[in-house]
Amino acid sequence: SYELTQPPSVSVSPGQTARITCSGDALPKQYAYWYQQKPGRAPVVLIYKDSERPSGIPERFSGSSSGTTVTLTISGVQAEDEADYYCQSADSSGTYVFGTGTEVTVL
Amino acid sequence: EVQLVESGGGLVQPGGSLSLSCAASGFAFSSYAMTWVRQAPGKGLEWVSAISSGGDTTYYADSVKGRFTISRDNSKNTLNLQMNSLRAEDTAVYYCAKVFLLVSAAIRYFQHWGQGTLVTVSS
Repeated sequence: SYELTQPPSVSVSPGQTARITCSGDALPKQYAYWYQQKPGRAPVVLIYKDSERPSGIPERFSGSSSGTTVTLTISGVQAEDEADYYCQSADSSGTYVFGTGTEVTVL
Repeated sequence: EVQLVESGGGLVQPGGSLSLSCAASGFAFSSYAMTWVRQAPGKGLEWVSAISSGGDTTYYADSVKGRFTISRDNSKNTLNLQMNSLRAEDTAVYYCAKVFLLVSAAIRYFQHWGQGTLVTVSS
């Protein structure tokens, strides 16, 4: 298995843009996925296949990939976006890995 | 509507065993791979185990290999996790999740989640 590294925390003012990175050696070969988790709740998938958004997910959430780093961007951050965010990937052996998680604080 | 409801959590002593279940509804259970993910108190998500749609292939994180066994009963739409030789570090909320798996496109992620069941390992 391998590791996915995220910054522990990101702070952003309402209406501004938050960017959360996720780094891992296998990311050039495997897709990345992003989840949002609010306190006491189960995670919800925000982004799949690096940059695709499931139906029902607001357009302000977007994903991108470059080399060994993937990025979740939240444009026009709202108070309700305060949550923990996790990247996730998989390896060819059938196992999965989560990133270390990033706490987003809306100032 | 997809529903996943975990049960079986509770307090168990170190070295003990516990069996978790996840009742699935709202989708063709036998057509989807399933997985367990856990989250220790105040910590991040940790993938635990996964099982193929037919139940013939299983995968485990190194931290639980040899101690946990994942299984499924497609006739009852139920996913199970047998946990043996439990340790304090296994204390966590355990979530079951439905896997979106498209092998041809190398897409694998956790599309729907249950609300979780708490397992506490303590004397």
